[in-house]
Amino acid sequence: DAGVTQSPTHLIKTRGQQVTLRCSPKSGHDTVSWYQQALGQGPQFIFQYYEEEERQRGNFPDRFSGHQFPNYSSELNVNALLLGDSALYLCASSTWLLRFNEQFFGPGTRLTVL
Amino acid sequence: QKEVEQNSGPLSVPEGAIASLNCTYSDRGSQSFFWYRQYSGKSPELIMFIYSNGDKEDGRFTAQLNKASQYVSLLIRDSQPSDSATYLCAVNKVSGQAGTALIFGKGTTLSVSS
Repeated sequence: DAGVTQSPTHLIKTRGQQVTLRCSPKSGHDTVSWYQQALGQGPQFIFQYYEEEERQRGNFPDRFSGHQFPNYSSELNVNALLLGDSALYLCASSTWLLRFNEQFFGPGTRLTVL
Repeated sequence: QKEVEQNSGPLSVPEGAIASLNCTYSDRGSQSFFWYRQYSGKSPELIMFIYSNGDKEDGRFTAQLNKASQYVSLLIRDSQPSDSATYLCAVNKVSGQAGTALIFGKGTTLSVSS
């Protein structure tokens, strides 16, 4: 049973560029959430997708956008990258019907903005 | 006041001792509470979640919840050097659209010496 997968593992971009990160949830899960974790901080919630719609959004600017596909996989897009966007980006999967229960994290994508 | 607060530590305990990690939260509407363990450079790994007042035990780990005091704790019995990691406390925040977000504390760093 495959767990949550994310790609790529690492990414280096320059300021102003755009980036797309990808996530596939665990088998049987239909809900994907994205988090940003800066060094020395806890993860911060970006947004959550279910049935291809954004269901909740954290305090992040519109430069951060997402998408969920019919197979439940998801993308996170960040436009006009800033140095402060350098972080570990985590995808978490869960089941909508059990959404008060646990979320399982993927290995993350380490984004470095130069 | 931050939504979820943890003592950043480091908390140092000798091998075989009990490690006690604490967390307070501000939203009385929070319904479920989570402890994740994160090794350096890795993604968070779920240890336990709890949603009822009282204690919940799983092997060497016990989670304690006191909703009246808005307090969650994690006890690790017979601590091992392999328990050395950052422990993240998270609470589940529900939005008007019924989406859920995990709100994390900054984490407590635990060091177990052999």
